[in-house]
Amino acid sequence: QVQLQQSGAELVKPGSSVKISCKASGYTFTSYDMHWIKQQPGNGLEWIGWIYPGNGNTKYNQKFNGKATLTADKSSSTAYMQLSSLTSEDSAVYFCATRLHYWGQGVMVTVSS
Amino acid sequence: DVVMTQTPPSLSVAIGQSVSISCKSSQSLVASDKNTYLNWLLQSPGRSPKRLIYQVSKLDSGVPDRFSGSGSEKDFTLKISRVEAEDLGVYYCLQGTHLPYTFGAGTKLELK
Repeated sequence: QVQLQQSGAELVKPGSSVKISCKASGYTFTSYDMHWIKQQPGNGLEWIGWIYPGNGNTKYNQKFNGKATLTADKSSSTAYMQLSSLTSEDSAVYFCATRLHYWGQGVMVTVSS
Repeated sequence: DVVMTQTPPSLSVAIGQSVSISCKSSQSLVASDKNTYLNWLLQSPGRSPKRLIYQVSKLDSGVPDRFSGSGSEKDFTLKISRVEAEDLGVYYCLQGTHLPYTFGAGTKLELK
């Protein structure tokens, strides 16, 4: 069955970067898009962008240009999202989701000094 | 960006009752391939979102047929017949026609 296993919670300092992972199993990783979604505490959902692991093509929500960078490693069937220049506004749970159908469990990123 | 307006923001229901949730988009969601990429998701408390319906009315596998989706162009509805306890949580509509993809603000379904 399709599973997306995300990395653990992160506590990071303002101004730093963080890279979170999403390991896929149960399907052909290179054949389907991988989306990333942000959910701030008590808030709704915001689409960050997607990557097509087969060729590395990406599409971003312009709001996250310069903030999020999506990559994928075909050899390990793992998608990554790096968030840079972190501020308190980046504190949130981040989900990966393939085809917007199968979702990971989410990673909580807390930005605090 | 396409704005997705969901109503009502919350619903209080009794088990066995039927409910409807509305989602209206600021632009037509008919894509150039003639498909309409309107999804419905449920986020149960403490859980990741789960997609229930895609392309307006197609149920994902394992989703009970108590759920149904309808609508076209800019006006969409999710109906739940005979609500069960496992249906409680926050429902979101999501459009995947126009970039960036956008979500509705959510409808919280609670027990009366």
